[in-house]
Amino acid sequence: AQKITQTQPGMFVQEKEAVTLDCTYDTSDPSYGLFWYKQPSSGEMIFLIYQGSYDQQNATEGRYSLNFQKARKSANLVISASQLGDSAMYFCAMREGWDSNYQLIWGAGTKLIIKP
Amino acid sequence: NAGVMQNPRHLVRRRGQEARLRCSPMKGHSHVYWYRQLPEEGLKFMVYLQKENIIDESGMPKERFSAEFPKEGPSILRIQQVVRGDSAAYFCASSPREAQDYNEQFFGPGTRLTVL
Repeated sequence: AQKITQTQPGMFVQEKEAVTLDCTYDTSDPSYGLFWYKQPSSGEMIFLIYQGSYDQQNATEGRYSLNFQKARKSANLVISASQLGDSAMYFCAMREGWDSNYQLIWGAGTKLIIKP
Repeated sequence: NAGVMQNPRHLVRRRGQEARLRCSPMKGHSHVYWYRQLPEEGLKFMVYLQKENIIDESGMPKERFSAEFPKEGPSILRIQQVVRGDSAAYFCASSPREAQDYNEQFFGPGTRLTVL
């Protein structure tokens, strides 16, 4: 079974609109962490935001926020006021437990294209 | 403060040749991780190393692949007798020695291996 599922292979969004990228996860471990990374066309993997399973509040980093719904096992990334430079692949990843915090499980990604 | 460095950025090999991929972690980081990204897919964990130690190689193919992180110098991912299926982007990430609340990995730009 897929541990990380990103159901949107691609999205087109108008510049300045908000974007929600979906991510659902599957784990039986009560301790886990969820990450979002951005991969522009240049190829590097850029860390965006992190949410711990015990965090009470949704994580926010500038224009990025994580809509964490624990009961639904979803961790959607919200980008407010999208910009042309947001066009990239976006990956959701999960760390299970505390011991295995070096091994992230990755989703297949969502390709986001911002239209001017 | 230089980030994670990988070289070469692009590597072309013929079937049967050897590929050597190098990764210099961020200054002060002693944990190194290698991932492989096949086209249109997320990253797959390969191996986790600390200085002079392989901690977890559960994601590494049993044959032809090896990794090291010597006391001095970069981490090396070595692929012997490459085949076309080895064509992928190989990412290295590093993290600080201490893993507190969460372990954010800093990624290098990747090496794109093409096997002809």
